[in-house]
Amino acid sequence: SQQGEEDPQALSIQEGENATMNCSYKTSINNLQWYRQNSGRGLVHLILIRSNEREKHSGRLRVTLDTSKKSSSLLITASRAADTASYFCATDRGGGADGLTFGKGTHLIIQP
Amino acid sequence: NAGVTQTPKFQVLKTGQSMTLQCAQDMNHEYMSWYRQDPGMGLRLIHYSVGAGITDQGEVPNGYNVSRSTTEDFPLRLLSAAPSQTSVYFCASSLFPQGYNQPQHFGDGTRLSIL
Repeated sequence: SQQGEEDPQALSIQEGENATMNCSYKTSINNLQWYRQNSGRGLVHLILIRSNEREKHSGRLRVTLDTSKKSSSLLITASRAADTASYFCATDRGGGADGLTFGKGTHLIIQP
Repeated sequence: NAGVTQTPKFQVLKTGQSMTLQCAQDMNHEYMSWYRQDPGMGLRLIHYSVGAGITDQGEVPNGYNVSRSTTEDFPLRLLSAAPSQTSVYFCASSLFPQGYNQPQHFGDGTRLSIL
């Protein structure tokens, strides 16, 4: 069964604004990852945050993790048209099983 | 450095046909995996491998076979294609075993339609 669920399903903002996407999951995790997928392309890794970390930054990206609420957020600051893509969170499958389980994604559109 | 290469990019099959989706990586990664992506479903893990000669099932393995005879290649075989296998298939790899614990490098996918 799927772990991560992103919210909202779709988000449209103006260029230069900040975009926030959320991910909720069901069971305890070792880490949580965020990926970006441009139309017709494969997924690109953005950030991995471990269960003992609360916040991580990479350029214009900021990821938070709240294990007590089983949730994570991805903030993209000063958005650009090139940020238009789908964003997915992924967690380990749990129960000793390898591999990742992905949410359904947030489709982000940056209006020029 | 090509990264993860998937072939073909597009394929149309008839129900009952078999085919092999190819995946190759040139990064000397130990861990490789196959996912399928369906509209509104996210990505689901089909099979994975933690090294040459070792494979294991993921979340949705039925109807698919894999083998890992070399570190570089991880082909996915559809034994008897069914319309329910219409999907976009992604191959991914990472340096060490324990794929859940590392960033995954994805190929650009194979878009497969079963008529």
